[in-house]
Amino acid sequence: GAVVSQHPSWVICKSGTSVKIECRSLDFQATTMFWYRQFPKQSLMLMATSNEGSKATYEQGVEKDKFLINHASLTLSTLTVTSAHPEDSSFYICSAKGREGLPPLYEQYFGPGTRLTVT
Amino acid sequence: LAKTTQPISMDSYEGQEVNITCSHNNIATNDYITWYQQFPSQGPRFIIQGYKTKVTNEVASLFIPADRKSSTLSLPRVSLSDTAVYYCLVGERYGGSQGNLIFGKGTKLSVKP
Repeated sequence: GAVVSQHPSWVICKSGTSVKIECRSLDFQATTMFWYRQFPKQSLMLMATSNEGSKATYEQGVEKDKFLINHASLTLSTLTVTSAHPEDSSFYICSAKGREGLPPLYEQYFGPGTRLTVT
Repeated sequence: LAKTTQPISMDSYEGQEVNITCSHNNIATNDYITWYQQFPSQGPRFIIQGYKTKVTNEVASLFIPADRKSSTLSLPRVSLSDTAVYYCLVGERYGGSQGNLIFGKGTKLSVKP
C-alpha cells in the first residue's frame, strides 16, 4: 500500500524559534498534499492544501506567514512553523493524494503525525 | 461538502459485532462515503469507501441504503485493538478538485475485554 512518512515524529522547541516538519510519499507521486492540525481530544482540522509547484491554499483562520508550506517535489512537502509559541503545540498530520487515475486511487494516505511541543 | 453526524462514543465487548451509523442528509449525487480509523497519536487510516448498497473488504463492511442519507460501518468480531476513533466523511471520490477531507467529531469506540 501507499506509505506516507513524516519527520520528525516529535519535536520540542523553545518559544520564538521555527521548526520544520517534512512529509514524504514513499512509493507514489503525490500531486496534492494536505496539512492538518489536531489538538488533544479533538478532530483533525485542515490547515492547508499544497499542490506540487504552486502556492499552498490556506483554510480560513490559518496564518500563511506563520505556517509556511513548500511542496517542492511530487514526493515532499514541508510545513514550517515560524516563531512558534506554546499555543502552536499540537499534533500535525499530513496526507497525500496521488495522481487521479493512477494508484493509489481512492483515498488519501495519512502520515503518522508529528507531535510539536513549544516550551 | 455534506455534513455528517455520528455518535460521540460507543462501547462494545471483544468478539461482538459493532455497527456505527453516520447520518449525511445532504449528500450530493457525486459524493462517496469514506470511513477512517485513528488511534491515539497516529494519523488516520483508511478503512472503507462506498457509494451505494454494500461494500465489504477484509476489515469491515459498509452498508448504504438506497436514499444514501446514512451509512453504517460494520466491524465484525471486534478486538481490543479496534479501540479507536472512527470518522465518517462524505465527499467526491477523489475529494473533488481540491481533494481536502473535512473531518467531523468522529465516534470513539471502546472495546472492553
